[in-house]
Amino acid sequence: QVQLQESAPGLVKPSETLSLTCTVSGVSVTSYYWNWIRQAPGKGLEWIGYVFHSGHTKYNPSLQSRVSTSVDTSKNQFSLKLSSVTAADTAVYYCARWGADSVSAFDIWGQGTMVTVSS
Amino acid sequence: EVVLTQSPGTLSLSPGERATLSCRASQSVSSSHLAWYQQKPGQAPRLLIYGASTRATGIPDKFNGSGSGTDFTLTISRLEPEDFAVYYCQHYDGSPLTFGGGTKVEIK
Repeated sequence: QVQLQESAPGLVKPSETLSLTCTVSGVSVTSYYWNWIRQAPGKGLEWIGYVFHSGHTKYNPSLQSRVSTSVDTSKNQFSLKLSSVTAADTAVYYCARWGADSVSAFDIWGQGTMVTVSS
Repeated sequence: EVVLTQSPGTLSLSPGERATLSCRASQSVSSSHLAWYQQKPGQAPRLLIYGASTRATGIPDKFNGSGSGTDFTLTISRLEPEDFAVYYCQHYDGSPLTFGGGTKVEIK
């Protein structure tokens, strides 16, 4: 079955760049739109953005200036970079698949990885 | 940007009762792009409903979604212990994709 697994950087220093990778199994990363979503401790869900294997991306305007995403088809992975992080970026980060055809929703999620921004 | 407002914030009910969760959009939206998720502590969200009313694969028929325009509802017909969780609605019609703030369904 389709599974997503986020890498686990854990701790990132303020002003540095957060880097995460999501490894996809059970389906080719050349299909579907691949997303990043985060959840600050005790808070709700925030969409960060998506990437398609062609390089097409779309980001939440609130994060757009600091976000970049990419796809590595050779490794069946996609990645997130968030620059100039602050404590406000501390959150569980999820990767998720946007469903195909009529399934306009996130149908597969990774387990999530906690990222703490602290010196 | 479409703002989704979920109510109530917390719903206290007993097992066997019916839960009715509301998601109101700040402007009329396409029901095709309205989804509901369930999240339990320490777990990733799970897709329950997409297209406002279509159950995702493996979701039991006690979960029902309805609504159109600005008002959408998730109904859980008979609460079982595993249904006590936080529920989020979500919409996407271009940018940005937004989630509601969530409704926590807790055991009374």
